[in-house]
Parts: sequence; C-alpha cells; structure tokens
Amino acid sequence: GQQLNQSPQSMFIQEGEDVSMNCTSSSIFNTWLWYKQDPGEGPVLLIALYKAGELTSNGRLTAQFGITRKDSFLNISASIPSDVGIYFCAGQSNYGGSQGNLIFGKGTKLSVKP
Amino acid sequence: DAGVIQSPRHEVTEMGQEVTLRCKPISGHNSLFWYRQTMMRGLELLIYFNNNVPIDDSGMPEDRFSAKMPNASFSTLKIQPSEPRDSAVYFCASSPLIGPIPQFFGPGTRLTVL
Repeated sequence: GQQLNQSPQSMFIQEGEDVSMNCTSSSIFNTWLWYKQDPGEGPVLLIALYKAGELTSNGRLTAQFGITRKDSFLNISASIPSDVGIYFCAGQSNYGGSQGNLIFGKGTKLSVKP
Repeated sequence: DAGVIQSPRHEVTEMGQEVTLRCKPISGHNSLFWYRQTMMRGLELLIYFNNNVPIDDSGMPEDRFSAKMPNASFSTLKIQPSEPRDSAVYFCASSPLIGPIPQFFGPGTRLTVL
C-alpha cells in the first residue's frame, strides 16, 4: 500500500534555530497535511495543502506541496521551546473517482538540545 | 467549544474482556474518525463516518472490532473480546467537512489489555 517516508526521525533544536523536515512518497497525493502532537494529546492540524507547488504559512510555520506531488516540506523559523513535540505529515490521494483515506508518516520528534 | 470528547481516558482490562470506547464529536461536525496509534504502526485509520454513515471500515482489524454512530453527537468503538495486541492509544477525530480529512482530534483513550 501507500507509504510515507518522513525525515528526519528525530532532531534536536536550540531556541532560535530554523527547523526543516520533509515527507516523501512513491505515490502521488492530492492533499498534504501537517499535524503536531504533544505528549498525552491528540494531533493538531497545523497546515493543509491542496495544490502542487502551493506554499502556505501559519505563523512561523511554512509548508510546501512539492511540484511532483510526491513530497512535502515543513519549515519552522526561529524555534521556541514550545515547538517541541512530534510532527506528522499526512497525504491523501483520489483514485477511480473516489477519495482515498489519509495516510500518516511515522513522525519527526523535535526535542530541545541539552 | 469543548472539542472532541473521549472517554475513558485510560482503560486497563484483562484479555477476553469487552471494551467500549466513547466519543462525542464537535457539535455540527459531519465526519467522525476512529484512529489507533502504536509505536510500531503509527497512526492508522480504523473507520470513518460521514453524516453518521460508515464510509470506510477497511482499517478495522477484524471481527472483534465494531463501531457505531447512532446519532450525530455520539460514537462508540467496541472490542470484544480484547487481546493484548489491541493495547494502543485510540483517537476519535471530527471534521465539519464531508470527506476523509480529520481536522480535530480528541485527547485519546490509552487502552492496556493484560
């Protein structure tokens, strides 16, 4: 079935640094989404992308829908301590006139550098 | 708005017992989703409803799992009989839109089957 490869699996940040993560697939997607999950809570939708090449921002977060429709990127500028958590990409494709289900990546865990 | 409400937040049970998880979606939302999250498999869609009608239950592991949505403000996920491999965090999510995109997740129910 469809799979998403999300990288990096984990990363450490220092306050003020910019952060980048990405998600790739062997399949084409029609929609890309990015969620953040804090410990003990459910994922929170950060950004939704619906068109190839689309670049969308939400505060310090910027996400892009790759031109090939097989990848997406999330950037966080000037990170702050509350940015720590797990970030998930998710993709959805349409086929045969039907809407496919959302597929989630395994997540990128953001931690603070000791 | 209180957001998506799930109960219980934690459940510990013994193998073979029946487990019922409950969800109250955000008022006015038209889609409801049940997801399962484990370290090994990540976030997996179990089933989702549009306007109280099950649209896709292909993610339901087996006959031991069943989900109902008797009205727009309530859904249950039942496991009978439960097995240790069912241990996971189960999330309910809802969306105001019709379709396969969950916008708002609940806090989850952590299920442990001994």
